[in-house]
Amino acid sequence: QVQLQESGPGLVKPLETLSLTCTVSGGSTINYYWSWIRQPPGKGLEWIGYIYDRDSGSTNYNPSLKSRVTISVDTSKTQFSLQLTSVTAADTAVYYCAREVECGSRTSCYGFDTWGKGTKVSVSS
Amino acid sequence: DIVMTQSPDSLAVSLGERATINCKSSQSVLSTSNNKHYLAWYQQKPGQPPKLFIYWAYIRESGVPDRFRGSGSGTDFALTISSLQAEDVAVYYCQQYYTTPRTFGQGTKVEIK
Repeated sequence: QVQLQESGPGLVKPLETLSLTCTVSGGSTINYYWSWIRQPPGKGLEWIGYIYDRDSGSTNYNPSLKSRVTISVDTSKTQFSLQLTSVTAADTAVYYCAREVECGSRTSCYGFDTWGKGTKVSVSS
Repeated sequence: DIVMTQSPDSLAVSLGERATINCKSSQSVLSTSNNKHYLAWYQQKPGQPPKLFIYWAYIRESGVPDRFRGSGSGTDFALTISSLQAEDVAVYYCQQYYTTPRTFGQGTKVEIK
């Protein structure tokens, strides 16, 4: 059973870069979409973007965050990472990593079938 | 972007009674190539990540009790809990995975009356 675990600083200063890592255990990173999703306190879920590990690590980002987001993968370590630049208080949230199974024709089979437990990131000076 | 709109924002139902959550997408999430709706439902309890409950609009994930039923087509979908149990208290989200950006409904909080 694959498990995901987010890690990274819990506090980031305004205008700095938020960096998180998701470690995948119990499975490969290949042939899946690996996403970052966030949830501000008391609010709903926002998809940040994904990396697709079969196609040379191609990425797809939410246009609302695209200018500030980079998602990368380290296949040898079965980890993928999120970098979000120039953070503000609005980026304070629980950040989740999650997996989608690729279903052929570049589609997702089930939605997000596996999630990490989430890591809380606060942006404050 | 495909906007997902859930209703109501919250509902309180007596134990054993039916609860229905509605979800409307601003565009179709139906693939004409395989005739499947790319619509999922998640349950989230406090302090926990969301858990996939339903995919393809009506397929229950393994282990999900059969009192949970997904339905709908086109742009209108629903999640029905046929007989509410105490452990079903949670926030439920619909989500489309038809295209990017992936988008979620705002969530519906289900409580016991």
